[in-house]
Amino acid sequence: DQQVKQNSPSLSVQEGRISILNCDYTNSMFDYFLWYKKYPAEGPTFLISISSIKDKNEDGRFTVFLNKSAKHLSLHIVPSQPGDSAVYFCAALRSNTGKLIFGQGTTLQVKP
Amino acid sequence: GAVVSQHPSRVICKSGTSVKIECRSLDFQATTMFWYRQFPKKSLMLMATSNEGSKATYEQGVEKDKFLINHASLTLSTLTVTSAHPEDSSFYICSARARWEVLRRAKVLFFGSGTQLSVL
Repeated sequence: DQQVKQNSPSLSVQEGRISILNCDYTNSMFDYFLWYKKYPAEGPTFLISISSIKDKNEDGRFTVFLNKSAKHLSLHIVPSQPGDSAVYFCAALRSNTGKLIFGQGTTLQVKP
Repeated sequence: GAVVSQHPSRVICKSGTSVKIECRSLDFQATTMFWYRQFPKKSLMLMATSNEGSKATYEQGVEKDKFLINHASLTLSTLTVTSAHPEDSSFYICSARARWEVLRRAKVLFFGSGTQLSVL
């Protein structure tokens, strides 16, 4: 049972435009959500997070939006840069377990 | 940010041998470490949670006798793949939760760089 889903395996955008990566979850007990960026043969690096009590968190070019009623979150990158090309994983956390549950990942390609 | 070191980064072994992967938190104490496995083009799947000084908790479907986890100190956890077979070939990643209160509130896990295991 996939509790965290990223339904788009890949996304291609032009440099300077906005990239929007989507993530859906099924477990209403998740209380924290994180986005990680990953390059091949490397471990994930933390990007941005959001608590379930918020609906938006912004950090530079990265903004995460959370819609609890729809159990949906999205990561906006604007403007997109070629260096943003990587696999992006969303992850959900139940604080009392400490376990991160990952989505399948979305491969972002930013074209110059 | 906090650094988690994972070693080796790549290992090739013969079927039937055992392989040990180390995960160290370099500049913080990690009371909890997690081990993940990633198949090509697949999500990171949580294998087990290890708490310092106690037995690891394995996720459903993960063989505890196949994947031995030891968390002997606050800075080191090891994963041993015993009697490895080709189907164990995968990318294994560890992560650590810092003891520091401020990091715990941030809910951020720091990840190692991963180990690519290839079993021939």
